[in-house]
Amino acid sequence: NAGVTQTPKFRVLKTGQSMTLLCAQDMNHEYMYWYRQDPGMGLRLIHYSVGEGTTAKGEVPDGYNVSRLKKQNFLLGLESAAPSQTSVYFCASNLAGGPIQYFGAGTRLSVL
Amino acid sequence: SQQGEEDPQALSIQEGENATMNCSYKTSINNLQWYRQNSGRGLVHLILIRSNEREKHSGRLRVTLDTSKKSSSLLITASRAADTASYFCATGAGETSGSRLTFGEGTQLTVNP
Repeated sequence: NAGVTQTPKFRVLKTGQSMTLLCAQDMNHEYMYWYRQDPGMGLRLIHYSVGEGTTAKGEVPDGYNVSRLKKQNFLLGLESAAPSQTSVYFCASNLAGGPIQYFGAGTRLSVL
Repeated sequence: SQQGEEDPQALSIQEGENATMNCSYKTSINNLQWYRQNSGRGLVHLILIRSNEREKHSGRLRVTLDTSKKSSSLLITASRAADTASYFCATGAGETSGSRLTFGEGTQLTVNP
């Protein structure tokens, strides 16, 4: 009963490098979300998806891209990492119309 | 900008005492939820209250909602050391917004044994 799984758990990047964070859920949820969490700022929505093949911008989308090629997977990409993207990233999912979101354990990213 | 503001930012109490956290928000909502985050972990849903409800209970948790004041409170009764965590309120505008949630900045609760 895995729920929402994020990989990797930790990553250190140099400025300008690229990487992809993977989120996988096994609950057959339609909706998926990517958040970032910074000290003193709570969680902010980066991008979200309401179904396979669809994505939309959240509150802080600049510098990130996403893809939802399969219903169970939601990828977050950083094309050219910047120190301002140092953060903890959380993925979440829920059923269409269901208000409760289920979270992964997070990915801690440092950009030097 | 954040929808919710939480108060206090940090709260330290003794085991057995009650803990009260407050959340204020700015726009109309469909529901308000409280989540818990243990250090280094993801968020876990605790309780949801809909905009047409005023109070809800779940075990040692009691949530109130005052839509006229755009505020909510979470009460944890008879606290335990294991309740030590960060608590976040999150507001939802409903299905028309893709079930998106807007989170507050959180309250760090420390329960001392």
